[in-house]
Formats: sequence, C-alpha cells, structure tokens
Amino acid sequence: DSGVTQTPKHLITATGQRVTLRCSPRSGDLSVYWYQQSLDQGLQFLIQYYNGEERAKGNILERFSAQQFPDLHSELNLSSLELGDSALYFCASSVADRDTEAFFGQGTRLTVV
Amino acid sequence: GESVGLHLPTLSVQEGDNSIINCAYSNSASDYFIWYKQESGKGPQFIIDIRSNMDKRQGQRVTVLLNKTVKHLSLQIAATQPGDSAVYFCAENTGNQFYFGTGTSLTVIP
Repeated sequence: DSGVTQTPKHLITATGQRVTLRCSPRSGDLSVYWYQQSLDQGLQFLIQYYNGEERAKGNILERFSAQQFPDLHSELNLSSLELGDSALYFCASSVADRDTEAFFGQGTRLTVV
Repeated sequence: GESVGLHLPTLSVQEGDNSIINCAYSNSASDYFIWYKQESGKGPQFIIDIRSNMDKRQGQRVTVLLNKTVKHLSLQIAATQPGDSAVYFCAENTGNQFYFGTGTSLTVIP
C-alpha cells in the first residue's frame, strides 16, 4: 500500500458526461501529480500541484481540469467525455515538488461508452 | 515534449538469471531518474532512483546504471524471480515533470 488513495476504482460513464476523480496523497506529501495511462501506452503526465498551487502542466486537454484543496487532496475533473478518454488515471504524491520519489495510487479506471 | 524510450518492449528470462532492462532518454538536462515496476491492475511502484551526479546505485537485488554521455539508463535485477514479472518504466525528471517511457514487459520463466 503506497498510502495514496484514489476513488472511485472504476467508473463507467457515457460520452458527453462529466466526472470527478479524487486523490488523497500520503500523509505529509505536499505534491500531487495526475497521469493518464491508455491501453498499451506509457504514463502521460497531466498536471502537478504543490501545496495548493499548480506547479507544472503536461499534456492535459482543455476539457480536463484539476485542483488541490487546503487539506491537500486533489480532484481531476474530466468533462465532455469522449470514447478516447477511456484510460487509467493515476495520482501520485511526493514530499517535495521535484527530484523526489513519487508514490502512486491504484488508479481509477474510466470507461466511456 | 521529452522522449524517454525503451530499447526492448518485451523481455523473457529464466528464473534465477539476471535481467537487464534498458532505457534511453533525450534531455541532457534531466537530473533525476526513477525506475518503476507496474504489475497488472496496480499502480506503478518505486524500485530505485538515481541522481545525475551518480553513475551507479544499488538496492536490494537491483542496480541502476546511468551513463550520461550516451543518455542511457539501465536496471539490473539479480536472480530474477517469478514475482519480478511486470512492466518496468524508466522516468526522467526534468524540472517539475516526470516523463515515462512506454515500458518493458518482463516475463520470468519458471
């Protein structure tokens, strides 16, 4: 158990809908990262927050947004969902904002039908 | 974007043999590297890391080698066990972002 908690584990929704994925980082970790992993693909970095502020942005679509709350949990919002958004979404957390080990959650498997 | 690639998408080894998984990275400014292991249905699990001021680091049964001259990273697993079967990713840290390769699938043959 990495200490990073993601909910829900599985999500099935229809195209055009909006979903929210939730991540609770390890106790003491200030940094949260979101990644997308499509079938047979590597991990694509989406966005990073550190202590409530956006720190880095990767290949995140405009339909997607995220935030980190004062209690350090984070949410990833996916809207106007398309079939191609079906993937595993991972959250990771780390103590610092760079150059440090990141611990991953078990992921949320999103299926868009 | 950055490019982190793996030379071999699949690797099969006999139980008890040593495994070597290779990775090439493209950004010479990357200063921190991590190897992750991902088992089916699970999130990536940290194996070992190395900073750019080192060329070798050893853990329990694992060794990471970094060759900055040719921008190459390798993961050596000693006495490979069935439980080592998984997909292995290398990741490079550039600034605040980690860039992952597509992974190498390691299969251990009993």
